[in-house]
Formats: sequence, C-alpha cells, structure tokens
Amino acid sequence: DSGVTQTPKHLITATGQRVTLRCSPRSGDLSVYWYQQSLDQGLQFLIQYYNGEERAKGNILERFSAQQFPDLHSELNLSSLELGDSALYFCASSERDQGQHTQYFGPGTRLTVL
Amino acid sequence: AQKVTQAQTEISVVEKEDVTLDCVYETRDTTYYLFWYKQPPSGELVFLIRRNSFDEQNEISGRYSWNFQKSTSSFNFTITASQVVDSAVYFCALSGNAGNNRKLIWGLGTSLAVNP
Repeated sequence: DSGVTQTPKHLITATGQRVTLRCSPRSGDLSVYWYQQSLDQGLQFLIQYYNGEERAKGNILERFSAQQFPDLHSELNLSSLELGDSALYFCASSERDQGQHTQYFGPGTRLTVL
Repeated sequence: AQKVTQAQTEISVVEKEDVTLDCVYETRDTTYYLFWYKQPPSGELVFLIRRNSFDEQNEISGRYSWNFQKSTSSFNFTITASQVVDSAVYFCALSGNAGNNRKLIWGLGTSLAVNP
C-alpha cells in the first residue's frame, strides 16, 4: 500500500458526460501528479500540482482540468467524454516537487466511456 | 527531449531462470533520475528503485539488481532466480530536476511472464 488513495476504482459512463476523479496524497506529500495509461499511448503525464499551485503540464486536453485543494487532495475533471478517453488514470504524490523525489502511485481509476 | 526505450516488449521465462530487462534513456539534463516500477496484473504501479545520475553504483536488493551505466545511457534490471510472482509489466522511467522535466517520462514497458 503506497498510502495514496484514489476514488472511485472503476467508473463507467457515456460519451459527452463529465466525471471527477479524486486523489488523496500520502501524508506529508505536497506534490500531486496525474497520469493517463492507455493501450495505444502508454503512460502519459497530464499535470502536476505542488501545495495548491500548478507546476507542470503535459499533453492534457482542454476538456480536462485539475486542481489541488488546501487539504492537498486533488481532483481531475474530465468533460465531454469521448470513447478514446477510456483509460486507467493514476495519481501519484511526492514529498516535494523536484525530480529526485520518488513518486508513489495510487491504485488508479479505470474509466470506461461507452 | 527526454526519451526512454524498453526494446523488449515481452519476455517469457521458466521459473528460476535469470532475466534482464533493458532500459536505454536519452536526456540533455546533467542531473536526472531513473526509476523502475512494477505493474502486476492487479494494475497498481509499485515503485522498485530510484537512481541519481551522479551515482553509478550498482544496487542489489534480494533477487533484484540494477546496472546503471552512464556511458551507454542504460539502466538495466536483473531478476535472479525468477518466480511466478515476478510476472508483471516493468516500466523504466526518467525525470529531470527542474521545470517541466520534473514529470516522469516512461518507457512502453516490458511484460514479463514467469512460467512454472
């Protein structure tokens, strides 16, 4: 158990809908990262937050947004869902925001868009 | 640009065989960090090791060992006397230390099947 929690574990929804994925980092970690894992693209970095502020952005679609709250939990919002958004979404946390800090991953949320 | 290549897509071995998973990376950063993660069939990503670019000392942890060679930009992972529980997808990843390079850049993974 990494100490990172993600809810829900599974999510099934329809095209055009909006969903929210939630992540709680390990105790003491200030940085949260979101990654998408799909069969065709592998693991892709989406976005990083550190202590409530956005720090780095990957190839995150404009339909996707995220935020980190004062209690350090984070939410990833996916809207106008398409079939291609079906994937495993991981949240990771690390102590600080520098690259040498190991990222520990949550169990992931498996999103299926029908 | 940063890049991680895991040339072996799938490996199949018989229990107790030794197996090496290859990882080659590209980066222009002088300070960088290399990682291995394991993804068992249950789907979670489990951290195995982190290696700093300025520390080329090889590491052994039980049946696992890692060989970091800056000269060939490689960070290979060996499992000695493999067991069925080692069956998983193994990912090599790279991160820098500043700006947008703090994110993890991933290889495509090597799927290891250890058969009894």
